[in-house]
Amino acid sequence: AQSVAQPEDQVNVAEGNPLTVKCTYSVSGNPYLFWYVQYPNRGLQFLLKYITGDNLVKGSYGFEAEFNKSQTSFHLKKPSALVSDSALYFCAVREPGGGYNKLIFGAGTRLAVHP
Amino acid sequence: GAGVSQSPRYKVAKRGQDVALRCDPISGHVSLFWYQQALGQGPEFLTYFQNEAQLDKSGLPSDRFFAERPEGSVSTLKIQRTQQEDSAVYLCASSLVRTSYNEQFFGPGTRLTVL
Repeated sequence: AQSVAQPEDQVNVAEGNPLTVKCTYSVSGNPYLFWYVQYPNRGLQFLLKYITGDNLVKGSYGFEAEFNKSQTSFHLKKPSALVSDSALYFCAVREPGGGYNKLIFGAGTRLAVHP
Repeated sequence: GAGVSQSPRYKVAKRGQDVALRCDPISGHVSLFWYQQALGQGPEFLTYFQNEAQLDKSGLPSDRFFAERPEGSVSTLKIQRTQQEDSAVYLCASSLVRTSYNEQFFGPGTRLTVL
């Protein structure tokens, strides 16, 4: 069965410092991986995805993520954090293939960026 | 352009009442998903529509939950005889096509509180 783990409930980082939000997955075959961000009282916003190709994926708002097949990880990164990046971040996986397949989400990681 | 909209944004129901939650997907989007997000958790899949056809309802927690999308656009999630454990945020998402590598666009959610 597919699953996603986000081992950290919260990540604290100072503004201007690099940030990493961790995600590991378990899925049969090659996964499709996604990162979403959720601000208070708002829906999830798509940040980036990995389907195939280059292991380093660049997304919205300066975020990027690195797909590591051997470690089954898809960590979210940003070189320089902003206070406005403070939000709830979700990693998600879908099975590959031609079908629709639902998203399986991790429990989320709260990112707090301090001035 | 307009994103996914949901109404109402907040709903308080007494235990045993029926509720109906509405989702307006992005115009032209074929795929529509409903997710349930409990407090402090990631979203969990409830059901999926491709146009008007409900192709997967494996995530619906009980037969009190019912979803429809009769004309392939607006969808309604109905919960009969609400229970306290139904309290959650209900998220709707749509996607342009059915393939599994397309990102889903989420609405702001409906927060349901059952007293």
